[in-house]
Amino acid sequence: DAGITQSPRHKVTETGTPVTLRCHQTENHRYMYWYRQDPGHGLRLIHYSYGVKDTDKGEVSDGYSVSRSKTEDFLLTLESATSSQTSVYFCAIREDIQGTEAFFGQGTRLTVV
Amino acid sequence: TQLLEQSPQFLSIQEGENLTVYCNSSSVFSSLQWYRQEPGEGPVLLVTVVTGGEVKKLKRLTFQFGDARKDSSLHITAAQPGDTGLYLCAGYPSGTYKYIFGTGTRLKVLA
Repeated sequence: DAGITQSPRHKVTETGTPVTLRCHQTENHRYMYWYRQDPGHGLRLIHYSYGVKDTDKGEVSDGYSVSRSKTEDFLLTLESATSSQTSVYFCAIREDIQGTEAFFGQGTRLTVV
Repeated sequence: TQLLEQSPQFLSIQEGENLTVYCNSSSVFSSLQWYRQEPGEGPVLLVTVVTGGEVKKLKRLTFQFGDARKDSSLHITAAQPGDTGLYLCAGYPSGTYKYIFGTGTRLKVLA
């Protein structure tokens, strides 16, 4: 299995509080991604990184920010959590851009009350 | 804007039936991957298609990449209850680093 871990696995937080999710990899892969998945839906891209300090927005980036200060860690921050951000969050890594699969973390279930 | 549209969104069939899932886009993709996801887990890769017109078979599953590399299909022959799950196509549009997923097809195979 690819070495990718997400923390925390579960979190309940109150509306308006900041929340940071961590994705850690031991594979030295260049590309890292954060997705959210809502019941019955596919994965929607929030932010992604194509190198240290190189990040860009995905399809649903509003209310989220990211940072990647070193290869192995990709942090996702909800600046002020809202109930609409209740979701399961997946981190993924890819080695390169050409035809390689993405490996996923176990997911983080976030509930905003 | 969802760049990868899958159809159908839901499919409930009897064991032994055949089915096809479609993944369509207006953008060109350098490659496409198909994943299956079980509840509570991350997606797991089934196959990668790279060349336009390519056909790959994985036991009872047949994957095809469109000639123009804008669409793909997954055909399952003689579906079994073990095929139940969420099927996702994914890829990166040419010229970007984004890795995006389709809208998903939830398949339920009844015994």
